[in-house]
Amino acid sequence: GAGVSQSPSNKVTEKGKDVELRCDPISGHTALYWYRQSLGQGLEFLIYFQGNSAPDKSGLPSDRFSAERTGGSVSTLTIQRTQQEDSAVYLCASSLVGSRTDTQYFGPGTRLTVL
Amino acid sequence: DQQVKQNSPSLSVQEGRISILNCDYTNSMFDYFLWYKKYPAEGPTFLISISSIKDKNEDGRFTVFLNKSAKHLSLHIVPSQPGDSAVYFCAASAGAGGTSYGKLTFGQGTILTVHP
Repeated sequence: GAGVSQSPSNKVTEKGKDVELRCDPISGHTALYWYRQSLGQGLEFLIYFQGNSAPDKSGLPSDRFSAERTGGSVSTLTIQRTQQEDSAVYLCASSLVGSRTDTQYFGPGTRLTVL
Repeated sequence: DQQVKQNSPSLSVQEGRISILNCDYTNSMFDYFLWYKKYPAEGPTFLISISSIKDKNEDGRFTVFLNKSAKHLSLHIVPSQPGDSAVYFCAASAGAGGTSYGKLTFGQGTILTVHP
């Protein structure tokens, strides 16, 4: 079956522009996570969705970052007024019910480069 | 602060030998640990996990050991194969005092290269 997909795979933007990153989770998965991996770092948690609600947004670095999920499926991560430090690989993962022992399936990521 | 650390950025091993990847953590609330494997241009894939009530979990060629007193876990791959060449991430989540969902804290990753 289809796995988690993300688009675009690569995005180059200029400082100050807004970007939208998309995640299509595995069908039927209620939990969705966004992480990012900066150069030389581990994956850093950004936000957790259960259905369309985001009970944990604690990892979003600033108010320039926002995310939404619609229809219990597709999620969009938006970064406004991008800065060079936003350059990273943004990864999305989904899991069936969202419990701690539930396997998270990751998409291939979106590599964001802010010039 | 880095709550999960993988101090070896890379490891090189001969095919057929054992690969040992190490991970240390500082948060005593972590009670569930996972290893993920990542190939270039792909997302991480789940490999194996261990709960803090155990000190060992085995799945085929992969074994994870947990030493709670030392706050250390390791992944053993025996025998290593060239197809195991990838980046390996350890991750952890906190139970009591943490979350009921899968909020994971990851290490920086170790690049494993298995030579034929």
